[in-house]
Amino acid sequence: KAGVTQTPRYLIKTRGQQVTLSCSPISGHRSVSWYQQTPGQGLQFLFEYFSETQRNKGNFPGRFSGRQFSNSRSEMNVSTLELGDSALYLCASSRSGGAAETQYFGPGTRLLVL
Amino acid sequence: QKEVEQNSGPLSVPEGAIASLNCTYSDRVSQSFFWYRQYSGKSPELIMSIYSNGDKEDGRFTAQLNKASQYVSLLIRDSQPSDSATYLCAVSNAGGTSYGKLTFGQGTILTVHP
Repeated sequence: KAGVTQTPRYLIKTRGQQVTLSCSPISGHRSVSWYQQTPGQGLQFLFEYFSETQRNKGNFPGRFSGRQFSNSRSEMNVSTLELGDSALYLCASSRSGGAAETQYFGPGTRLLVL
Repeated sequence: QKEVEQNSGPLSVPEGAIASLNCTYSDRVSQSFFWYRQYSGKSPELIMSIYSNGDKEDGRFTAQLNKASQYVSLLIRDSQPSDSATYLCAVSNAGGTSYGKLTFGQGTILTVHP
């Protein structure tokens, strides 16, 4: 079974630009969660999508948004990039996003904002 | 107080020793507990999940949960240099506002030296 895939793997952007990251979950998984990982803040939850609906959201500004498609693939978008947005962005999938379910992580997209 | 706290480390143990990793959490309604391992430059991968009080063993790994003390630990027996990584404790809560959300500790860096 193929794992979670993320594209692109690396991105370099400048301040003020916007970026779109993509995540394809494990086949049969309908819940996709997004996380930001930085050395200072660790792994922080951004949001979760299930059946094309955002069900949960972390404490991030509105510049961070996402969506999910009918095939469960998900995208996240960051607008008006700031230097502090440099991070590893991870998506994780699970069958339905339940508390007891294991989340499987993709390889991540490393974003550098200059 | 952080929601999930881990012993800060780094933790260094000799090959063949037992490595003990600890984690405390603040939310009493926390339901599910996960230990992930993250190698440098890679994404987190699940080692163990535990949901009820007591011990759970899987090979060289044992997870221990004490909900009364809000404490979860991971023991690694016969530590190997390949166990050198950052170990992340993650917690999820029941309820609709917690869909797809894992709350992570800052991680403990483990080094196993030959």
